[in-house]
Amino acid sequence: RKEVEQDPGPFNVPEGATVAFNCTYSNSASQSFFWYRQDCRKEPKLLMSVYSSGNEDGRFTAQLNRASQYISLLIRDSKLSDSATYLCVVNANNQGGKLIFGQGTELSVKP
Amino acid sequence: DTGVSQDPRHKITKRGQNVTFRCDPISEHNRLYWYRQTLGQGPEFLTYFQNEAQLEKSRLLSNRFSAERPKGSFSTLEIQRTEQGDSAMYLCASSSTKQLAKNIQYFGAGTRLSVL
Repeated sequence: RKEVEQDPGPFNVPEGATVAFNCTYSNSASQSFFWYRQDCRKEPKLLMSVYSSGNEDGRFTAQLNRASQYISLLIRDSKLSDSATYLCVVNANNQGGKLIFGQGTELSVKP
Repeated sequence: DTGVSQDPRHKITKRGQNVTFRCDPISEHNRLYWYRQTLGQGPEFLTYFQNEAQLEKSRLLSNRFSAERPKGSFSTLEIQRTEQGDSAMYLCASSSTKQLAKNIQYFGAGTRLSVL
């Protein structure tokens, strides 16, 4: 079993749609959680950190359920520019160190 | 450019050759990480440094791979006797322990290796 598992893609949605990505992680000791975005043949870029209380950044909302070891990302009012691969990322502790990435979920927003 | 810089951006080599990649982190960052990414997968951790000390190595890092960060600034990743299975994107990232709780890692554009 992979340490971080994500919904398989691709997700093809029309502009303006709401789309949700899910992710589960296996290490219950994990402390830090992130969503990164990766455009085709580019490097991953931090989209947002994920906090236990849930957090929102504009059209993006991230949720964390530690009991279920589940992370989600909701994108409202999708834009063409949201087309990318979204990577669920977990860090085992707050002391730094390696990030564990899911395989990514590809999103394609169509006009 | 004050971001993470990697060189070269692309490398094509023949099987059995040695290759070396360089990474220059964000200047005030004391941690430097190497990851490898293949098509359709997320990045996989290889190794990381805090200053010049190599603190962790993945089992993915076979004895053909070696990484150094001699002065605690830039780092090199060398692959000896390359194999076709080494073809991948090699990503470097850096972070600062002043942001310990967040562990935000910033990635370079990567070096794409093709082994023929």
